[in-house]
Amino acid sequence: KQEVTQIPAALSVPEGENLVLNCSFTDSAIYNLQWFRQDPGKGLTSLLLIQSSQREQTSGRLNASLDKSSGRSTLYIAASQPGDSATYLCAVRAGKSTFGDGTTLTVKP
Amino acid sequence: DTAVSQTPKYLVTQMGNDKSIKCEQNLGHDTMYWYKQDSKKFLKIMFSYNNKELIINETVPNRFSPKSPDKAHLNLHINSLELGDSAVYFCASSQDTTGANVLTFGAGSRLTVL
Repeated sequence: KQEVTQIPAALSVPEGENLVLNCSFTDSAIYNLQWFRQDPGKGLTSLLLIQSSQREQTSGRLNASLDKSSGRSTLYIAASQPGDSATYLCAVRAGKSTFGDGTTLTVKP
Repeated sequence: DTAVSQTPKYLVTQMGNDKSIKCEQNLGHDTMYWYKQDSKKFLKIMFSYNNKELIINETVPNRFSPKSPDKAHLNLHINSLELGDSAVYFCASSQDTTGANVLTFGAGSRLTVL
C-alpha cells in the first residue's frame, strides 16, 4: 500500500526566502507525481506534474524534482511571497492517486 | 469556463437525510473521481469512473452511490447521512487512467450534517 508523507507539516518564513517542501513515498512504482496548492476553503490547483521518467519540472519560481528510486520529491519555491501562503499537497499516481497530508506554508511580509 | 464544476458548493442537512452532489467536466476527459477531505484536511479517494464504468471503489460504505450518466458527469448520492459524513467532497477528472495526465479538481462541496 502506497504511503505518502510530507515534511514539514507547517512552515513559516519571511518574505523573500527560498524554501523546500518535501514529499516521500513508499512504493516507487508510480506513473507520476503531482504538486498541488490549496488555499483555505478552496479546491486544489495543480502546480507541477512530473512523469516517472522525468527528474524535474519548472514553472516560474517553482521547481519540482523527483527521485523515484529513493521515493522522494521536493518542491522548491524561490523568493517566496505572501501570496504563496497556502497548503501544498503532493500526490503520487499508480492506478489511483495517493495524497500526502500537506505542508501549510505561511510567508510573512 | 469552469473546467470541473460541482454543485452545490455548500450543503447543510440533518442526520438521516439523503442528498446528492453533482459534478460535470467540460475537458473531454474520460476519467472522473470523487475525493473526500475530512476536518484534518486528509484527502482520500472514494471512487473512480472511466467512461462511465466504476474502476475504483475504496471500501466506501454502500450508503454512498456514485452515478455516471455519461463520461462528462459523475454524481454522488448519499443515503441516511451520518455526522461523520461531514467533509468537503471534491470531484476531479483526468484524460484517462494512465499516468500521463494531470488531475483537475473542482472547487469542492462542503457537506455539514447536523
